[in-house]
Amino acid sequence: GIQVEQSPPDLILQEGANSTLRCNFSDSVNNLQWFHQNPWGQLINLFYIPSGTKQNGRLSATTVATERYSLLYISSSQTTDSGVYFCAVHTDKLIFGTGTRLQVFP
Amino acid sequence: DAGVIQSPRHEVTEMGQEVTLRCKPISGHDYLFWYRQTMMRGLELLIYFNNNVPIDDSGMPEDRFSAKMPNASFSTLKIQPSEPRDSAVYFCASNPWWGENTEAFFGQGTRLTVV
Repeated sequence: GIQVEQSPPDLILQEGANSTLRCNFSDSVNNLQWFHQNPWGQLINLFYIPSGTKQNGRLSATTVATERYSLLYISSSQTTDSGVYFCAVHTDKLIFGTGTRLQVFP
Repeated sequence: DAGVIQSPRHEVTEMGQEVTLRCKPISGHDYLFWYRQTMMRGLELLIYFNNNVPIDDSGMPEDRFSAKMPNASFSTLKIQPSEPRDSAVYFCASNPWWGENTEAFFGQGTRLTVV
């Protein structure tokens, strides 16, 4: 089956810093989503982005489907950005990546 | 819409007991997914339904696990008998259709502890 790898596995930032999270997938996909799992365990939708670039406030995402990767950019990070970020690819089903755990300190 | 609703939010049960987890998808969504999240294995897809029909149950770990979707607004995941290694957070998600311009939405999960 398709493999979905995320990097880095862990990221520690000071408030105000910028970061880039990467999602690599091993086969073509119909769609891709980014989620934030907050410290209470809730999975929050960030983007669905089969290709191209989207922006929402301090967050933006880019998917290059032909090269099988997606990037999530977080600018001016805040402590509330802490949690785990997952990408998930749509093939005939929804498969999650391994996640990036982000900790933002004041 | 209230989103995907799961119940209970927390469940503690003794080994050997039957456990039933419940999910109400977003109205009008044709796809429903059940996931299990553990530290060791991350988010694993257990089973998914399209229009109430199970499409792929290859992720169901054992025969002790079963899932049903009797109608478009309700699904259950049952574990019988439960074991301590079943302890995990179980998520339900729904998706309106399958394609590029669509996204899955998740419930708040059920934290299951089997002692």
